[in-house]
Amino acid sequence: DVKVTQSSRYLVKRTGEKVFLECVQDMDHENMFWYRQDPGLGLRLIYFSYDVKMKEKGDIPEGYSVSREKKERFSLILESASTNQTSMYLCASRPQGPNTEAFFGQGTRLTVV
Amino acid sequence: AQKVTQAQTEISVVEKEDVTLDCVYETRDTTYYLFWYKQPPSGELVFLIRRNSFDEQNEISGRYSWNFQKSTSSFNFTITASQVVDSAVYFCALSEISNEGAQKLVFGQGTRLTINP
Repeated sequence: DVKVTQSSRYLVKRTGEKVFLECVQDMDHENMFWYRQDPGLGLRLIYFSYDVKMKEKGDIPEGYSVSREKKERFSLILESASTNQTSMYLCASRPQGPNTEAFFGQGTRLTVV
Repeated sequence: AQKVTQAQTEISVVEKEDVTLDCVYETRDTTYYLFWYKQPPSGELVFLIRRNSFDEQNEISGRYSWNFQKSTSSFNFTITASQVVDSAVYFCALSEISNEGAQKLVFGQGTRLTINP
């Protein structure tokens, strides 16, 4: 079974904290993605990575950064968490190729108080 | 500009009714791929189908069918004889090439489908 695992299902953090969301995949996929999901807005792409140490901004990168030191792991970093970053965060991985399907983790519901 | 538009935010029908979920996309690529995903209450997105831009044949899989029309940039999804287990959020997605040549997946807003017994 293919697996994308996100380190936490639920997380509560304080405003101003530095937050790390971790994602690990066991399928040797080149591409990994971070999305946030908000009601009425669907899935919005924050950042994605197409190779180790390679990253590209998505549609809403402000307030976030990412790290991909190893192929299987893609971390999303909230440099200084704010309440408007309260959301569901979804990680996905995908093999090379435009026709390949993405595999998703179970999501991390982050609440910033 | 929204690349993938799912205008129906929520749909509620009674079990056994047929229901169609709309998806309209926008791309400048001549070759592209479209996808549908299902997100059940458990939260994890599940792949349903992919379609490439040069194959306009409709596809049927059991109670599910997909209608791809390039002329109207639409890729609609129909559930026939809906069941309560079909209740979920459904997402349409487009595979497109980024500025640096990488493949990314762009999703629509999603349609929350509720099937009432």
